[in-house]
Amino acid sequence: KAGVTQTPRYLIKTRGQQVTLSCSPISGHRSVSWYQQTPGQGLQFLFEYFSETQRNKGNFPGRFSGRQFSNSRSEMNVSTLELGDSALYLCASSLEGLDTEAFFGQGTRLTVV
Amino acid sequence: AQSVTQLGSHVSVSEGALVLLRCNYSSSVPPYLFWYVQYPNQGLQLLLKYTSAATLVKGINGFEAEFKKSETSFHLTKPSAHMSDAAEYFCAVSDGRGGSQGNLIFGKGTKLSVKP
Repeated sequence: KAGVTQTPRYLIKTRGQQVTLSCSPISGHRSVSWYQQTPGQGLQFLFEYFSETQRNKGNFPGRFSGRQFSNSRSEMNVSTLELGDSALYLCASSLEGLDTEAFFGQGTRLTVV
Repeated sequence: AQSVTQLGSHVSVSEGALVLLRCNYSSSVPPYLFWYVQYPNQGLQLLLKYTSAATLVKGINGFEAEFKKSETSFHLTKPSAHMSDAAEYFCAVSDGRGGSQGNLIFGKGTKLSVKP
């Protein structure tokens, strides 16, 4: 069974540009969540999508957005990139239910220069 | 609001020694608790989870954790450290909002070093 796949693994962008990251969840998982990991702030929840709808949202500015497609694949977009957006972006998928767990991808390392 | 505190950003043990990584949580509802491990340039791998069943939870690679409601703690232990255990460990809490574990609050992480 394939795990959570994130593409690309590494990305370098210039300040002011926008970027789109992709996440393919484990087959059958309909919940997809995104997290930002930085040395200073640690792991922070961005948002969760379920059945193409945003279900939960963290405390990030509107420049961070996402969407989910009918096949549960998800994309995350960051517009008007800032140097502080440099981070490891992790995607996780999970089944419905509370006796479950989130499975994480290897992440996309975004560097903003 | 939920929160997680991991005591000690760095822990160093000798190979064969006991590993103890501390995690305290704050939650207004019965929590769901998780320990994840992260190796360099990798994603997170689940070690174990507490979802209101047994308070002593056994995970992979010989790790276990005990849920203590009175102490609001969920410390991670392993009787004998191996060199391969060197990694960063994260404790996470969820309130199950939305009926899934898609909204995790993480601690700051503890880097474990294992000396030969």
